[in-house]
Amino acid sequence: QKEVEQDPGPLSVPEGAIVSLNCTYSNSAFQYFMWYRQYSRKGPELLMYTYSSGNKEDGRFTAQVDKSSKYISLFIRDSQPSDSATYLCAMRGGAQKLVFGQGTRLTINP
Amino acid sequence: DAGVIQSPRHEVTEMGQEVTLRCKPISGHDYLFWYRQTMMRGLELLIYFNNNVPIDDSGMPEDRFSAKMPNASFSTLKIQPSEPRDSAVYFCASRFWDTIYFGEGSWLTVV
Repeated sequence: QKEVEQDPGPLSVPEGAIVSLNCTYSNSAFQYFMWYRQYSRKGPELLMYTYSSGNKEDGRFTAQVDKSSKYISLFIRDSQPSDSATYLCAMRGGAQKLVFGQGTRLTINP
Repeated sequence: DAGVIQSPRHEVTEMGQEVTLRCKPISGHDYLFWYRQTMMRGLELLIYFNNNVPIDDSGMPEDRFSAKMPNASFSTLKIQPSEPRDSAVYFCASRFWDTIYFGEGSWLTVV
């Protein structure tokens, strides 16, 4: 079993829809949780960063962490075609090794 | 700052040849990471350095892979000899505090 599980999709939604992306994990030592966005033929870029459980909001993006369920989510409100990309969850414990999910390919249709 | 700079951006080589990928991290960043990305396995950490010292190379797949960081502004990832299964995108990344910044990747094809 992988340490981090993420549905690779692809996920296709109409413009303006609310998008929900999710990851589950098995390592209870993880305490730093991130979402990266990767456009085609580019490197991943940090989108959201959360420490421990709770919610964090940044504009149209909300990250949620539920450590009791070992489950994290990223919500995108009022989705735009420019949000079309692959979204990767990532997490780590006290060590510096960041473990990534497989990535979910998202397409927002105008 | 120009960001993490990787070269070459694209490389096509024949099986058995030596491949050297290069990385210039962002100035002042104390951690440097090498990742490999494939459709099948996603993004995998190969090795990382802290202040130029290799800390964890447990992700390096085989002895054919080696990485060095001779100074704070330069690192190399070498594959010798290369094999078709090494075809992937290789990313270098550097870290400041808790934010990792990725380069645009080196797209390697071994035929």
